[in-house]
Amino acid sequence: QVQLVESGGGVVQPGRSLRLSCAASGFTFSSYGMHWVRQAPGKGLEWVAVIWYDGSNKYYADSVKGRFTISRDNSKNTLYLQMNSLRAEDTAVYYCARDALTYCGGDCPLDYWGQGTLVTVSS
Amino acid sequence: QSALTQPASVSGSPGQSITISCTGTSSDVGGYNYVSWYQQHPGKAPKLMIYDVSNRPSGVSNRFSGSKSGNTASLTISGLQAEDEADYYCSSYTSSSTLGFGTGTKVTVL
Repeated sequence: QVQLVESGGGVVQPGRSLRLSCAASGFTFSSYGMHWVRQAPGKGLEWVAVIWYDGSNKYYADSVKGRFTISRDNSKNTLYLQMNSLRAEDTAVYYCARDALTYCGGDCPLDYWGQGTLVTVSS
Repeated sequence: QSALTQPASVSGSPGQSITISCTGTSSDVGGYNYVSWYQQHPGKAPKLMIYDVSNRPSGVSNRFSGSKSGNTASLTISGLQAEDEADYYCSSYTSSSTLGFGTGTKVTVL
């Protein structure tokens, strides 16, 4: 069965960096686009970034552009989110999620989600 | 990249029907038939309920239906049940090749 397991969250000081990972299993990882979506405590969902199935295209929310980098290693079935220059407003549960169809160009719904990893930015 | 606008809360009695609206612009909701709806129970990951405006994934109850008119999409839950009490979010593909989520709607079953 499809599984997405995030890791790498924790408490980090403002201005520091953190890298999140999302280990995928149960499907052909290299055929699916992948997303990061976050949710601040008590708030709504905020889309963060997408990477196409082959890594050829990446898009970001304005709120993280220039600070966050999404990447993937299809040989390890793993998605990453490198987060630099972290701010208090980046505090959230970060979910990785899968495109519902193979070879999507970012316009697919998200059918499988991980359980999330909490990132807390605080001094 | 502004969030799509949803009502903060909607409520209904068991068996009733409720509708949640999701208003965007011609650059997102109005410009594409790539509107999805997600259900999220407290402490859980979101679950896809509707995709491409009106399609239901396998396993989702036919009490959930979606539609769109202009820049506004809607999710209707008919025959409201206690288990439907949750937060609901719309999402749309945008002209910037990004995804936008709605502000979220808390559904309460009275």
